[in-house]
Amino acid sequence: RKEVEQDPGPFNVPEGATVAFNCTYSNSASQSFFWYRQDCRKEPKLLMSVYSSGNEDGRFTAQLNRASQYISLLIRDSKLSDSATYLCVVNQRTGGGNKLTFGTGTQLKVEL
Amino acid sequence: SQTIHQWPATLVQPVGSPLSLECTVEGTSNPNLYWYRQAAGRGLQLLFYSVGIGQISSEVPQNLSASRPQDRQFILSSKKLLLSDSGFYLCASRGTGGSYGYTFGSGTRLTVV
Repeated sequence: RKEVEQDPGPFNVPEGATVAFNCTYSNSASQSFFWYRQDCRKEPKLLMSVYSSGNEDGRFTAQLNRASQYISLLIRDSKLSDSATYLCVVNQRTGGGNKLTFGTGTQLKVEL
Repeated sequence: SQTIHQWPATLVQPVGSPLSLECTVEGTSNPNLYWYRQAAGRGLQLLFYSVGIGQISSEVPQNLSASRPQDRQFILSSKKLLLSDSGFYLCASRGTGGSYGYTFGSGTRLTVV
């Protein structure tokens, strides 16, 4: 079983739609969680952190369910510029440091 | 905030040639540093991480090695490249203080021919 699993997509949605991505992780000792965005042939960039209480940043809402080891990202009112690959990322402490494990990403295509 | 300098942006190397990719970090001290590889159409794979000078942990057996000669310098090397070493190599840094400070360099796209 992969440490972090995501539906690869692609999700093709019209502009203005609401779209949700899900992610599951296998290591219950994981400590912190993130969504990153990666544009084609570019480096990943932090979109938002994910908290158990849920957090919102404009059109983006992230949620964590530790009991189910499940993370979600909701994008409302999709824009063309939201087209990208969204990476679910889990952080674990190990050997005195921290290690990020990435899902393979979910591709989003927002269309006119 | 942290800035990561990574070079070169693109590299084409023949099989069997050596490799050296360098990453330097500004804006933080004693960062955790990471080398990731992303093969075409696949996710990011952690190759090495370092919590301090001279401290390297390897995640997967491979044809590559890493070194950290200075606090904010992280180098990825190979003595002889294989075709399977092709990919997008990304250096990342996590500064001290807080869980939000993961920053990536702009990456090196390596093609082994």
